[in-house]
Amino acid sequence: EVQLVESGGGVVRPGGSLRLSCAASGFPFDDYGLSWVRQAPGKGLEWVSDINWNGVSTNYADSVKGRFTVSRDSAKTSLYLQMNSVRAEDTALYHCARLRRWEPDAFDIWGQGTMVTVSS
Amino acid sequence: QSVLTQPPSVSGAPGQRVTISCTGNSSNSGAGYDVHWYQQFPGTAPKLLIYGNHNRPSGVPDRFSGSKSGTSASLAISGLQAEDEGDYYCQSYDSSLSGSYVFGTGTRVTVL
Repeated sequence: EVQLVESGGGVVRPGGSLRLSCAASGFPFDDYGLSWVRQAPGKGLEWVSDINWNGVSTNYADSVKGRFTVSRDSAKTSLYLQMNSVRAEDTALYHCARLRRWEPDAFDIWGQGTMVTVSS
Repeated sequence: QSVLTQPPSVSGAPGQRVTISCTGNSSNSGAGYDVHWYQQFPGTAPKLLIYGNHNRPSGVPDRFSGSKSGTSASLAISGLQAEDEGDYYCQSYDSSLSGSYVFGTGTRVTVL
């Protein structure tokens, strides 16, 4: 079964750090780009970051650029998001999502998400 | 930030046909980038419903159809069923933003 399972969320103080993980299974990990998409409580979807199949190319939304870092580990078939200098507006459910293989312009598999709450 | 505009809500009786619009600009859908659609139920992850403007992934009923013309795209649900009640989002790529995938504002579908 193709699956993405996120972990690492929790409560963090403003200015603090958190590292999210996404464990992938059921598909050839190295063939796909991956992304983080977040959803603030009661709000819509917001793309956060993505990384291509080999980890060479990364992109970030302006709202997190310079604070968040995306990475991947082929041996562990896992995706990560290092979140530094977090702000209240980073509070959201963070989903890991797989980009389509041949035309990586849509997200074809999603994880259930891990909740991040930024609060003092 | 959402640069794709959707109506906040649409509703219809069971069996009816409803449509959801998604309006972009010359940097995203109007620039030729494909539009995709996602379905989300409360407390669950989004699910890809339509990709490449009008294609359905395996397992998606043919009651769902998509189209695109210029800067606008539409999702149609025909033969509306109670189980279709949820949130729907369009998504595209925007060349004016740094490496950016963009989502629509979202539409809540209510089955009367």
